[in-house]
Amino acid sequence: GAVVSQHPSRVICKSGTSVKIECRSLDFQATTMFWYRQFPKQSLMLMATSNEGSKATYEQGVEKDKFLINHASLTLSTLTVTSAHPEDSSFYICSARTVHNEQFFGPGTRLTVL
Amino acid sequence: RKEVEQDPGPFNVPEGATVAFNCTYSNSASQSFFWYRQDCRKEPKLLMSVYSSGNEDGRFTAQLNRASQYISLLIRDSKLSDSATYLCVVNRGYSTLTFGKGTMLLVSP
Repeated sequence: GAVVSQHPSRVICKSGTSVKIECRSLDFQATTMFWYRQFPKQSLMLMATSNEGSKATYEQGVEKDKFLINHASLTLSTLTVTSAHPEDSSFYICSARTVHNEQFFGPGTRLTVL
Repeated sequence: RKEVEQDPGPFNVPEGATVAFNCTYSNSASQSFFWYRQDCRKEPKLLMSVYSSGNEDGRFTAQLNRASQYISLLIRDSKLSDSATYLCVVNRGYSTLTFGKGTMLLVSP
């Protein structure tokens, strides 16, 4: 299957700082990428849909000013958690959609906010 | 009612056993269906798509009943490496995937 990378894989930061997570499709172009969040023992929850060259579409309850998404190229989308707080600690996973409409997931970023 | 519901388990089975997982979904307009596997602290990985006619991939068989809005996954001859959480996933359109909480499987020697 197609390969999606995420960086960093793990980040620990102080409350109030901003954290940027990168999602890259390594061997294909992805016009659409998705950002998910998973709390312990919970299901993956879609946060937003990121379309190359346009504004992201956020799911209900997700603050667009707190979770900034940029999809500047066909292989890169970034999620910035602004002014992170302990309740933002979670497992953030991106996925990228291929032209065949399959979704492949990145390895995830574990964020811990102290 | 949750969009996708699964029994969280865990299902504890010995090696070689056959185990079945069920899943129900609430949106009758859902278009496509999948089973993903997620290992502890890892990303989900696509196990197989689910078709109305039923489909098989080695030891894994998936079934879809649109009338009952029910999806199943059967694993035969369980291996230790099958231990994971199995996620029922429904595509509600435009590639928007909705995940169940998952069913945990533990295969013991």
